[in-house]
Amino acid sequence: QVNLLQSGAALVKPGASVKLSCKASGYTFTDYYIHWVKQSHGKSLEWIGYINPNSGYTNYNEKFKSKATLTVDKSTNTAYMELSRLTSEDSATYYCTRLRAYVMDAWGQGASVTVSS
Amino acid sequence: IQMTQSPSLLSASVGDRVTLSCKAGQNINNYLAWYQQKLGEAPKLLIYNANSLQTGIPSRFSGSGSGTDYTLTISSLQPEDVATYFCQQYNSWTTFGGGTKLELK
Repeated sequence: QVNLLQSGAALVKPGASVKLSCKASGYTFTDYYIHWVKQSHGKSLEWIGYINPNSGYTNYNEKFKSKATLTVDKSTNTAYMELSRLTSEDSATYYCTRLRAYVMDAWGQGASVTVSS
Repeated sequence: IQMTQSPSLLSASVGDRVTLSCKAGQNINNYLAWYQQKLGEAPKLLIYNANSLQTGIPSRFSGSGSGTDYTLTISSLQPEDVATYFCQQYNSWTTFGGGTKLELK
């Protein structure tokens, strides 16, 4: 079955960067785009951007263009999101999702990022 | 596109028919999905294209609507349906509603 396994929780200092991973299994990795979504504590969901695992093409929500960088490693079926220049506003749970027929039909378990000194 | 869900909190009893609403800031041409998020879990896709039931989702869940106004209906509320429900438009990029938290009365 389709599974997206994300890296664990991260505690990072303000100004630092963090790289989250999302390992896909149960389907052909290069056939579906991977999207990333942010959920701040107790709040709604924000779309960050997506990557085409086959070509590496990316597209970002304007709000996250200078914050997030999406990459993939096709050899390990893994997608990555690096978040830079972290502030307390970046403390949240981040999800990777698979896009199928324009909807997010599979989600990772989420990765919690806490920014604190 | 702004997505507005109502109510933000809904209390209902087991067996009740429950209706959740989602209003888009402009016509989204039925490009509307509903997700269920239980406490501590990732969201799960329930409905796509406004009224298509995702594989494996119980038939008590249904979606309807058109244009700017959409509804998720649970025909007979079960205890395991306690969750927060989000709508999402994908007509123009993608945005999510603020969510409706469904609890048992």
